[in-house]
Amino acid sequence: AQRVTQPEKLLSVFKGAPVELKCNYSYSGSPELFWYVQYSRQRLQLLLRHISRESIKGFTADLNKGETSFHLKKPFAQEEDSAMYYCALYTGGFKTIFGAGTRLFVKA
Amino acid sequence: GAGVSQTPSNKVTEKGKYVELRCDPISGHTALYWYRQSLGQGPEFLIYFQGTGAADDSGLPNDRFFAVRPEGSVSTLKIQRTERGDSAVYLCASSPRVGESTEAFFGQGTRLTVV
Repeated sequence: AQRVTQPEKLLSVFKGAPVELKCNYSYSGSPELFWYVQYSRQRLQLLLRHISRESIKGFTADLNKGETSFHLKKPFAQEEDSAMYYCALYTGGFKTIFGAGTRLFVKA
Repeated sequence: GAGVSQTPSNKVTEKGKYVELRCDPISGHTALYWYRQSLGQGPEFLIYFQGTGAADDSGLPNDRFFAVRPEGSVSTLKIQRTERGDSAVYLCASSPRVGESTEAFFGQGTRLTVV
């Protein structure tokens, strides 16, 4: 079955602390994975995709096929990082499967 | 337009009524998606259009749900005989290319409340 699991509904960290949002997937094919973010009162938008191997706003994510994971990391969290984060799996059949999301709260 | 536009932003309807939700994608985008997001959940795929045709409607929950895109641009999601369980945020997204793992641009969504 194709599935994306984000085990944490809420993650609260202090400003300047490292942050890791976990994502695990289940997919038999070659996965294409994304992280989307939704800031307060804004629309859902792409943060980064694994094929680009880029760092956006200090965030990185590495695809680990052995562990079927695509965790999102940032070494020093900022207050403006507070948002809902969704891990997403593109299955190649026009369909993107989203996880349930993790709310990140960065405390001052 | 500047982005994907969805109207109305909020819709309250009585159980059993018919509703239409509209999506105006980014100009030139051939791919259009509808998702439904229930409280505490991520977006759930409903239907995908390539041009005017529905290439994949496997996510539509039942035959009360139907979507069209007659001219390959604006799309309308139609829900008949609404039920309280249909209450959710309905998201529309578009992307410029078909069949590639490319970014989807989302609208602000329509919050549907069935009372």
